[in-house]
Formats: sequence, structure tokens, C-alpha cells
Amino acid sequence: EAGVTQFPSHSVIEKGQTVTLRCDPISGHDNLYWYRRVMGKEIKFLLHFVKESKQDESGMPNNRFLAERTGGTYSTLKVQPAELEDSGVYFCASSQIPGQTNYEQYFGPGTRLTVT
Amino acid sequence: QKEVEQDPGPLSVPEGAIVSLNCTYSNSAFQYFMWYRQYSRKGPELLMYTYSSGNKEDGRFTAQVDKSSKYISLFIRDSQPSDSATYLCAMSPYGNNRLAFGKGNQVVVIP
Repeated sequence: EAGVTQFPSHSVIEKGQTVTLRCDPISGHDNLYWYRRVMGKEIKFLLHFVKESKQDESGMPNNRFLAERTGGTYSTLKVQPAELEDSGVYFCASSQIPGQTNYEQYFGPGTRLTVT
Repeated sequence: QKEVEQDPGPLSVPEGAIVSLNCTYSNSAFQYFMWYRQYSRKGPELLMYTYSSGNKEDGRFTAQVDKSSKYISLFIRDSQPSDSATYLCAMSPYGNNRLAFGKGNQVVVIP
């Protein structure tokens, strides 16, 4: 079974440009999450999809970030316009719904975003 | 105050030693406690999870949760060079999927 995949693995853009990150969850996983790790900080939650619906987007830093999950399969995270502080590693994770617990989130390898 | 505190200092041990890692937290709503292992340039991989207080053992790994002290631990016995990785604690409340992570500890096991 393929794991969570993310594309690109690394992106270098200039301040003010737009970047779109993609995540393909494990097939059949209804839950999809985005997290971000800024250098020197802990991994922080950004948002959670259940199928195509945003369940929790309380971690999104501001309206320059737009996440979508059309059709409930893959997801994209767009940053427009990018700022220097957006640099970091963006992780995507997915999980099933085994009973009442959603503890096991499977993470992708991350996209390293560098804004110059 | 941060939700999860994990002293991010690196840890270097000789092969065969016991590795001891810990995290403290402030949110009393946390019910699920996890340890993730992350190799370089890879995503975090779930290593252990515990629901509420107690101990859990899986091979050379033991996870402990003390909710009264808001303190969790991970022990690695008979450490191997392949255990060299970053270990992250994570936790979440019941019914909420957002994980709160610690900063992680880089562990190096020297052959």
C-alpha cells in the first residue's frame, strides 16, 4: 500500500510569488491534515479535512493560505503571496476512522518551502 | 505557556544503553499520547501511542503516561544505531484530531 505522498519535495520561490503544494493521502483515508514546521519550532497543526469538508482550519496562519480537497481525494495548499516567514516544512498526514479514535495519522515526507 | 514542552537537546548514547525521553504538557484535556520517530528527510512515523494514563510496552520501547503530573516518557532499551533519529512527542484531546507536538529530541546511538 502506497503511503502519503507530497509534491514537490522542495520548492524555492521569491517573496510575493505563489506556490501550490500537493498531498495525496493513503487510499481510502477520509481524514487529511496539514501541518507545518518552521525552523526551530515544533510541528504545528494547520487544518483538517474530512473528505472534502474542512473540519478544523483553526491553525491556518492567515488568508494567504488556501487549502482545498476537491472530490475528497488529494489536497492542495496554496500560499499567495508568499512571505519570508512562510518558509518551513509542510507535512501532510492522513488517517482512517477506526471506531472513535483517530490517533494514527500517517505522515508524508513533507515539502520543504524556502521563500527568498 | 506552550501546550507541549520537550527539551530539544540532542542525545548521544553508546549502543546498548537505555534512552530516556520525556515531555510535559499543560492542557489537561489531552487524552491520547504518542511518540513519533522521524528519520532525516522523512515524515514522522508513529512509534507508540497510549490512551490516558499508564504504561505500554512494545519490544524494546516503553511509553509511560502520568496524567496527574502531565508528564510522558519514552524508554528505548538496548539501543541500536538504527534507533538514531528524532523522537517527537505528540498528543491530542479525545474527539479532536489536531496533534500538538513537542520540538523533538535528536538521538544518536554510537556503535
